[in-house]
Amino acid sequence: EPEVTQTPSHQVTQMGQEVILRCVPISNHLYFYWYRQILGQKVEFLVSFYNNEISEKSEIFDDQFSVERPDGSNFTLKIRSTKLEDSAMYFCASAGNNSPLHFGNGTRLTVT
Amino acid sequence: AQSVTQLGSHVSVSEGALVLLRCNYSSSVPPYLFWYVQYPNQGLQLLLKYTSAATLVKGINGFEAEFKKSETSFHLTKPSAHMSDAAEYFCAVRPIGTNAGKSTFGDGTTLTVKP
Repeated sequence: EPEVTQTPSHQVTQMGQEVILRCVPISNHLYFYWYRQILGQKVEFLVSFYNNEISEKSEIFDDQFSVERPDGSNFTLKIRSTKLEDSAMYFCASAGNNSPLHFGNGTRLTVT
Repeated sequence: AQSVTQLGSHVSVSEGALVLLRCNYSSSVPPYLFWYVQYPNQGLQLLLKYTSAATLVKGINGFEAEFKKSETSFHLTKPSAHMSDAAEYFCAVRPIGTNAGKSTFGDGTTLTVKP
């Protein structure tokens, strides 16, 4: 069964550094998402992406965040200047028409 | 607008006992509803989904859930708990017909299974 794959599985970075989290969605899916989960907390929506543009974003998704689908297969989340509170598990998801979201295994981001 | 409430952040059952995890939703349009399971240090795995067909939905690992519109509920059940069912469970809602719409998650319920 096709899967959403995310790399790296764990990223450690220093405060103020830029990070790029990478995702390869399921190939025939059209809708792409990023969610995050701070340790021990709920899964929070960040952004949805369709037809090469952001379709919805949460208040968490401020100017420090951006998403891109650079080559038709990858879907990336960039954090320009990381803060300690950005430490979390970041999940990528994709979906087809009227289908549930399929999630990757996540990237654990640790900001020191 | 949509929201999900999971009653009980922690549920503990004995092995072999009934599992009942509660989920109530709020949605301004007819919803799709989902249950996801998260094992420690892993991603979110879809357990089952309600997409406006049968109201009783069967999923993986022996779980099932029933959509009750009158109660705005989508509770998750399993007749007999296994030790391997210990995990975090999330209920999620997504509006029907909004393909790009986000899924909104509940706060999660941690299921502990005692031997």
